[in-house]
Amino acid sequence: DVKVTQSSRYLVKRTGEKVFLECVQDMDHENMFWYRQDPGLGLRLIYFSYDVKMKEKGDIPEGYSVSREKKERFSLILESASTNQTSMYLCASSYLAGNNEQFFGPGTRLTVL
Amino acid sequence: DAKTTQPTSMDCAEGRAANLPCNHSTISGNEYVYWYRQIHSQGPQYIIHGLKNNETNEMASLIITEDRKSSTLILPHATLRDTAVYYCIVRVVWSGGGADGLTFGKGTHLIIQP
Repeated sequence: DVKVTQSSRYLVKRTGEKVFLECVQDMDHENMFWYRQDPGLGLRLIYFSYDVKMKEKGDIPEGYSVSREKKERFSLILESASTNQTSMYLCASSYLAGNNEQFFGPGTRLTVL
Repeated sequence: DAKTTQPTSMDCAEGRAANLPCNHSTISGNEYVYWYRQIHSQGPQYIIHGLKNNETNEMASLIITEDRKSSTLILPHATLRDTAVYYCIVRVVWSGGGADGLTFGKGTHLIIQP
């Protein structure tokens, strides 16, 4: 079975802190994604990576950056956390071919105080 | 991607088959029908997808009408753990690299009753 793991299920940070969210997949997938999910706004793509060191902006990249140094690991970085970044963050992975099924991690519920 | 229409909510008795409908009347010839679900406070879970033939896997069956304008996801023996929001989406699939982010509509909230 595909397994996507995220470093934390729940995280509480203070405004202005630098926050790292880690995602690891064990199926040798080329594509990895970071989303945030908010009530009433649905799922929104933050960043996407199709290979090591490659990244593409999604729909809402402002305030975020990403890092992909190894194929299995994709990190989301909040350079200076703000209260409007309080959300559920979801990582997903998929095979290279465009728009194949995506496999999600359990999510990280981040609260910024 | 074409839009889909699903009922807001459905109930089903435990042990019975749950049949979830989806309308996608503007689907294009190169668009697949995908189903995902999301159990409360968990990440979305891929269930099944198909182009025009009916599909079955260990989780569910997908029945697509001949004109491809609608489909039905069938959970053959629903359990309480199948209570979730079920999303039907249509997406183009291609063989090269790149990908689009997933966009879910409001989905169907399926409640399995004991």
